[in-house]
Amino acid sequence: DAMVIQNPRYQVTQFGKPVTLSCSQTLNHNVMYWYQQKSSQAPKLLFHYYDKDFNNEADTPDNFQSRRPNTSFCFLDIRSPGLGDAAMYLCATSSDRDSPTYEQYFGPGTRLTVT
Amino acid sequence: RKEVEQDPGPFNVPEGATVAFNCTYSNSASQSFFWYRQDCRKEPKLLMSVYSSGNEDGRFTAQLNRASQYISLLIRDSKLSDSATYLCVCPRYTGGFKTIFGAGTRLFVKA
Repeated sequence: DAMVIQNPRYQVTQFGKPVTLSCSQTLNHNVMYWYQQKSSQAPKLLFHYYDKDFNNEADTPDNFQSRRPNTSFCFLDIRSPGLGDAAMYLCATSSDRDSPTYEQYFGPGTRLTVT
Repeated sequence: RKEVEQDPGPFNVPEGATVAFNCTYSNSASQSFFWYRQDCRKEPKLLMSVYSSGNEDGRFTAQLNRASQYISLLIRDSKLSDSATYLCVCPRYTGGFKTIFGAGTRLFVKA
């Protein structure tokens, strides 16, 4: 009964080799988020989609891109991964973003290793 | 100063103990707050939300102190299964609410 699914769970890529991480949801939520979390650090918001509207965080490197072809799917593209991009990437969804009481539902994450 | 700050710990407590964590926030406009639990190498999961002065759910109590801009999480009768990292969240409104996480407080409950 997984509600937010991320594939793959573990991804190994080479330095500079493009990689795509996938997220899908069965909740029909309007908002989808991508976070980067490094060891012992807070999850850091990279960007989010409100429906089809893309919202990038000011400090998200250009190396990170995202696509949302439909409500259910969202992709994170890392164009040229560096060693510093090794992290857990978390996808989350919420029904709305305009209420302070919204809850986010997280996927299990994709752990990215860059060699 | 970080927008959301937590003592990283770790807190090492015996089973049955009561333990409390604090989280300070800088955005005085924040109206609601959350505690998430994150197990090692897993995703965060919502533990409790705090909209007014506090919230209680079984062994867990969250309290909000707006004057001093902090929220706390109290765990009574700690269980081994409570061992995890507890993340404090203060949404910030910038044309839509964004989730601002603290770095988390690690708790180890020992037998």
